[in-house]
Amino acid sequence: SQKIEQNSEALNIQEGKTATLTCNYTNYSPAYLQWYRQDPGRGPVFLLLIRENEKEKRKERLKVTFDTTLKQSLFHITASQPADSATYLCALGGYNAGNMLTFGGGTRLMVKP
Amino acid sequence: DSGVTQTPKHLITATGQRVTLRCSPRSGDLSVYWYQQSLDQGLQFLIHYYNGEERAKGNILERFSAQQFPDLHSELNLSSLELGDSALYFCASSVGPDFNTEAFFGQGTRLTVV
Repeated sequence: SQKIEQNSEALNIQEGKTATLTCNYTNYSPAYLQWYRQDPGRGPVFLLLIRENEKEKRKERLKVTFDTTLKQSLFHITASQPADSATYLCALGGYNAGNMLTFGGGTRLMVKP
Repeated sequence: DSGVTQTPKHLITATGQRVTLRCSPRSGDLSVYWYQQSLDQGLQFLIHYYNGEERAKGNILERFSAQQFPDLHSELNLSSLELGDSALYFCASSVGPDFNTEAFFGQGTRLTVV
């Protein structure tokens, strides 16, 4: 069956360090992968989209990699700040993912001052 | 502010009742997607409409139905409500017929079934 796995345990890091979150998937051939941020009780907010033919994408302090061989995406936040504390969701779409965006369970990031 | 409007923000109702959740997409967006998020589960895709037509269906219960109107707003109807239907319901919109561009989520409707 299709599965998207994110570390369900919270990631705790010190302010200023780089946070790295992992998204692994099985039995998918996604055309693209997206990362979202979600704060408690609020809707997800789009961060980055990376397509299957792209290895890496950056936006300000954010970087996403997409390895279709390993079936994995890594999401990095450099120079992390307490305001970056939130749950981060990866989502797959396209091809056999159907006309839908399927989300992983998310990883909670806590950045301590 | 994502530009996606969902009403109501909160809804408390009894088991067996029927409710309607409303979503207005961002101006210019033709796609509307509905998701359910409960405490023990992540975001679960329910249904997708593009320009009034149903495009994809997830694990949506038969007690649930949706439609997208000519003005592109969408409604999600939940009937014969059960305690387990208590959740946050989100709608999202995007320009095209798929998620190949960024999607914008509303702030959700929190449904509590008592």
